[in-house]
Amino acid sequence: ELKVEQNPLFLSMQEGKNYTIYCNYSTTSDRLYWYRQDPGKSLESLFVLLSNGAVKQEGRLMASLDTKARLSTLHITAAVHDLSATYFCAVAPSGTYKYIFGTGTRLKVLA
Amino acid sequence: DGGITQSPKYLFRKEGQNVTLSCEQNLNHDAMYWYRQDPGQGLRLIYYSQIVNDFQKGDIAEGYSVSREKKESFPLTVTSAQKNPTAFYLCASSISPRGVGGETQYFGPGTRLLVL
Repeated sequence: ELKVEQNPLFLSMQEGKNYTIYCNYSTTSDRLYWYRQDPGKSLESLFVLLSNGAVKQEGRLMASLDTKARLSTLHITAAVHDLSATYFCAVAPSGTYKYIFGTGTRLKVLA
Repeated sequence: DGGITQSPKYLFRKEGQNVTLSCEQNLNHDAMYWYRQDPGQGLRLIYYSQIVNDFQKGDIAEGYSVSREKKESFPLTVTSAQKNPTAFYLCASSISPRGVGGETQYFGPGTRLLVL
């Protein structure tokens, strides 16, 4: 069974602190995606990672991909309250046309 | 402006009733998807379509049906066979199912379905 697991599931952190969200997946995939969801809203695309060693950065968020370890990380630098949201990773397994989503990490940044 | 629209924003279903959720995109995307999200949970794939007049079941297709008669439109019907339909339904599209550009999905604003 294909699995995409994120940890932690919940994360409460102080403003200004750094933290990393982990996304592990159980199938072969060369494509990994990160999305953000605000409460009651839809999903917004953050990053597309297409190859082993890929690193993308946008503001205080940086995502990386290690396809050999089947692991992606989303690193938060100097968190601010506006980053409070739920973050999902998703993989598109090789040979399929489906996207499999992780369980989500609910991030709360405290002022 | 290009994007994905879903309607209605809220939908109330009576027991035994079929209801249809609308999804329209003007992004010229080939692939379209329907997901269900339960409170505090991730997304589960209901159906997806790679091309007009073709669609495949996702992980939780029972009690749902779809059609793809036009490239822009991918309506989802929640049938009376779906016994627990209360959820947030999200429609998404991507340029092509497995092209070379990464094909991130673009999501509509969602429809919240509630059972009376």
